[in-house]
Amino acid sequence: EADIYQTPRYLVIGTGKKITLECSQTMGHDKMYWYQQDPGMELHLIHYSYGVNSTEKGDLSSESTVSRIRTEHFPLTLESARPSHTSQYLCASSRAGGWKTQYFGPGTRLLVL
Amino acid sequence: SQQGEEDPQALSIQEGENATMNCSYKTSINNLQWYRQNSGRGLVHLILIRSNEREKHSGRLRVTLDTSKKSSSLLITASRAADTASYFCATETSGSRLTFGEGTQLTVNP
Repeated sequence: EADIYQTPRYLVIGTGKKITLECSQTMGHDKMYWYQQDPGMELHLIHYSYGVNSTEKGDLSSESTVSRIRTEHFPLTLESARPSHTSQYLCASSRAGGWKTQYFGPGTRLLVL
Repeated sequence: SQQGEEDPQALSIQEGENATMNCSYKTSINNLQWYRQNSGRGLVHLILIRSNEREKHSGRLRVTLDTSKKSSSLLITASRAADTASYFCATETSGSRLTFGEGTQLTVNP
């Protein structure tokens, strides 16, 4: 089991609310990632970070934002949730350098009404 | 279109049979990885094969990589009901970023 955690696991929220999805890892990994995955579909990278104070946008455009103030913590924020944000959000981390596997958290299932 | 495409989309077999899943990609890669995802859960890394490797084994898993055809296969031998899951290939091109395929849903019937 990987030491990477996500909270909440499930979230049902109304349109317009601000939400923060938490992700933390205790493996000391420099790199962290956020993916969005619709049911039965592939993962799409929406944000990643190479280390503290580093954040980059991924391959899929997202209205969410991220921050990386501490190595172990990589929260994702939606300022104003919409039904189109309904999806599963997966956080992952990996060591620095190439050819490294990614370790995934259990995911957060978000439903915006 | 996505970097990794998997085939078949769904596979249903009996316990004890072998399961083969294929993955094709479009651009040059540093390595290719296979992940497993149980329903509603995160992904678990299974195996990584580097671009200069052709075959790799891990327990009941066998992965091949053909860079000339830009394709990989995952073979699970002597399948078990507990192998039921979605299997994703992911290609790493640069900066440790992974691009995932759509996945193959494997069902192993007891």
